[in-house]
Amino acid sequence: NAGVTQTPKFRVLKTGQSMTLLCAQDMNHEYMYWYRQDPGMGLRLIHYSVGEGTTAKGEVPDGYNVSRLKKQNFLLGLESAAPSQTSVYFCASSYRQGNSPLHFGNGTRLTVT
Amino acid sequence: SQELEQSPQSLIVQEGKNLTINCTSSKTLYGLYWYKQKYGEGLIFLMMLQKGGEEKSHEKITAKLDEKKQQSSLHITASQPSHAGIYLCGADADNYGQNFVFGPGTRLSVLP
Repeated sequence: NAGVTQTPKFRVLKTGQSMTLLCAQDMNHEYMYWYRQDPGMGLRLIHYSVGEGTTAKGEVPDGYNVSRLKKQNFLLGLESAAPSQTSVYFCASSYRQGNSPLHFGNGTRLTVT
Repeated sequence: SQELEQSPQSLIVQEGKNLTINCTSSKTLYGLYWYKQKYGEGLIFLMMLQKGGEEKSHEKITAKLDEKKQQSSLHITASQPSHAGIYLCGADADNYGQNFVFGPGTRLSVLP
């Protein structure tokens, strides 16, 4: 049972480059989330989705875009990477929003130089 | 907005000792979750508490939500090196589960 899978696990980008982080879940969850985790800042919600074809902004959405074309996949894009986007990115999914735990992937460690 | 505070920030214990981590909310908790994170890995879901006074256990880890539903405690009995990591509490921000909130985490080290 794979759960939530994120790719890649590590990535180094130069300022201005673009990339897409991939998240896939096999639990048939409706809700999916992208978080970033930074020392001293904790986990902060970037974007989330309440179902296929829908996306919504979280706490820190600037500089990121997302897409949920298929229920099982949630993509996070960085169009023009900045050093401030150096972070560990986590994808999560849940069965419903509320009274339902989030299940996390193992994270993507991104460094922007 | 709802905030979660955790205490202590970090904890170092000798193997075999018991320990408690606390999570306090500024608002009533409708759903409280405990997670464990090891360095370089994702968050692992441990337990969910919903009712005031509810207590759940998983192996040697017990979590309880107080009657007023504004504080939860996580207790580890006879700690082992495998318990080391960061423990985070999380909560449904309101009754409709909008904006899931996380505490800052408690870093636990267990010395063999």
